[in-house]
Amino acid sequence: GESVGLHLPTLSVQEGDNSIINCAYSNSASDYFIWYKQESGKGPQFIIDIRSNMDKRQGQRVTVLLNKTVKHLSLQIAATQPGDSAVYFCAVQTGANNLFFGTGTRLTVIP
Amino acid sequence: DGGITQSPKYLFRKEGQNVTLSCEQNLNHDAMYWYRQDPGQGLRLIYYSQIVNDFQKGDIAEGYSVSREKKESFPLTVTSAQKNPTAFYLCASSIPGVPSGGYTFGSGTRLTVV
Repeated sequence: GESVGLHLPTLSVQEGDNSIINCAYSNSASDYFIWYKQESGKGPQFIIDIRSNMDKRQGQRVTVLLNKTVKHLSLQIAATQPGDSAVYFCAVQTGANNLFFGTGTRLTVIP
Repeated sequence: DGGITQSPKYLFRKEGQNVTLSCEQNLNHDAMYWYRQDPGQGLRLIYYSQIVNDFQKGDIAEGYSVSREKKESFPLTVTSAQKNPTAFYLCASSIPGVPSGGYTFGSGTRLTVV
């Protein structure tokens, strides 16, 4: 079966610095990847996604990198702000299966 | 505005009681999902439904039940058979499969056994 893990359960960064959150997945056939942000007491919100035919995708202040060779996914947040403090999840899909979620990394931004 | 609504936000259950968590969406999504979230763990799938009047067990269905009588609604019942029900419960919806943008989530229900 699928397993999805984040490298660090917690991450603290200074305001204005860049943040990098990493995720590893197990199934080389996985073809769709999503990053979600979850604030305390709320449901996850979509941030950015990438399909397996790409290795990089950029959004506003966020970039997702996909390395299929080592089955690794990362989320980069530029110029991290206090409002970025939250738990970040990666989610992975293989074929027509349901999304499979990682355990989450709690990002804390230090003012 | 289209969205997905969970209620109540907080719910307290006594030992031996069944409780039902509500999930309603007006996004015209065919697929709906229930997840359980515990501290330090990822989202674990309880039940999902791809179409009205049909649903499937997820990874941790024991002690839970669902119904899907209407497209808009997917209530989850936590039965007395669920021995450790205290958790944060999330409902989600999507068009069938996993479309671009993934699932849309509700704001969750926090269930506590007292």
